[in-house]
Amino acid sequence: DTGVSQDPRHKITKRGQNVTFRCDPISEHNRLYWYRQTLGQGPEFLTYFQNEAQLEKSRLLSDRFSAERPKGSFSTLEIQRTEQGDSAMYLCASSYLTDTQYFGPGTRLTVL
Amino acid sequence: DAKTTQPPSMDCAEGRAANLPCNHSTISGNEYVYWYRQIHSQGPQYIIHGLKNNETNEMASLIITEDRKSSTLILPHATLRDTAVYYCIVRVAGYISGSARQLTFGSGTQLTVLP
Repeated sequence: DTGVSQDPRHKITKRGQNVTFRCDPISEHNRLYWYRQTLGQGPEFLTYFQNEAQLEKSRLLSDRFSAERPKGSFSTLEIQRTEQGDSAMYLCASSYLTDTQYFGPGTRLTVL
Repeated sequence: DAKTTQPPSMDCAEGRAANLPCNHSTISGNEYVYWYRQIHSQGPQYIIHGLKNNETNEMASLIITEDRKSSTLILPHATLRDTAVYYCIVRVAGYISGSARQLTFGSGTQLTVLP
């Protein structure tokens, strides 16, 4: 069990650019979550997948954000037309039968 | 999910037990207490969870009061590497509710282990 992995670990981009992050969950975990964490705050839920189906989305997930999990394994989170307010740590977590969520190391996004 | 209240910060001497309190006075009968911690610039790390019985694993012990309105996370022999923000979260387990439930993080307790 190699744990949840995320790529890249750090991303610096200019305002208006698009960015995409990848999350690889723990093998056989059918549930995958995305969270966002800004400085000094706890993580906030963005969206959730069960297998390939996106079942829940937070109001924080504006129309510039889109997430996919095409084959029920890895997931991608894309932010279009990035804004400085998108600067944050983006965290991925996965779970299975016990529903205990295990987190990856996160992707830190800086929008200049 | 019920709300939780934690002190914003605590100090603990290295080698001593760290006792982190959490109040969850509005907890429901089917809600679990979960503890996670987050070391600076890393993802949250699962520690332990429980429903009403005390729980222990290789990382920590969780003591839940009989009325379930509060709990204490105990790190028996704190080390410098235990310095982190500790989050107490109350939620219905997904496999009970029939739908997965996201974790709602509060501000947590910043535990600083002092040498």
